[in-house]
Amino acid sequence: DAGVIQSPRHEVTEMGQEVTLRCKPISGHDYLFWYRQTMMRGLELLIYFNNNVPIDDSGMPEDRFSAKMPNASFSTLKIQPSEPRDSAVYFCAIRGYNEQFFGPGTRLTVL
Amino acid sequence: EDQVTQSPEALRLQEGESSSLNCSYTVSGLRGLFWYRQDPGKGPEFLFTLYSAGEEKEKERLKATLTKKESFLHITAPKPEDSATYLCAVTSGGYQKVTFGTGTKLQVIP
Repeated sequence: DAGVIQSPRHEVTEMGQEVTLRCKPISGHDYLFWYRQTMMRGLELLIYFNNNVPIDDSGMPEDRFSAKMPNASFSTLKIQPSEPRDSAVYFCAIRGYNEQFFGPGTRLTVL
Repeated sequence: EDQVTQSPEALRLQEGESSSLNCSYTVSGLRGLFWYRQDPGKGPEFLFTLYSAGEEKEKERLKATLTKKESFLHITAPKPEDSATYLCAVTSGGYQKVTFGTGTKLQVIP
């Protein structure tokens, strides 16, 4: 977890509200990943960046989801508008040699 | 499309009772198979990478093995602190797109 900082750790919001999740990786890693984890579907890749550029967003469930990486030390995942089915734990990860290192996650609850 | 199936879904062991977790996979050309450990409320923690059939890796009480169709995570004389969910993942393309299994939740009872 020490390589990736995520905030907030917990987020409770109401349906229809905008939600922004934040990720701060330590410098020196060229790949950044956003995952979603639910009991039903497990851990799913949403999008990944290489050198701050989005490479594959095929896992983003729909247009309500968007992600940005303005620099090597910061990325956001935004959901607008949020829905109850978006409730999950969202992880940010960076790549080491071939393995990935995950942050502590943000638990999102949409009421 | 890569697929990963882990079994059992949950496993309860007495302290010192050795066992194995299974990860069956279907990929079009395995590049790497990964094992992670996940504690409640935390992100997955990397354990091992295996690249080819016959390869084995060890760390403390854990030993991971790989065949052409599956991987096993052997736990020898487990302790309560080994209790966690163990995730298996595979990649067939680059190391960026990784497919995870749903995990085996291990509970070790003192």
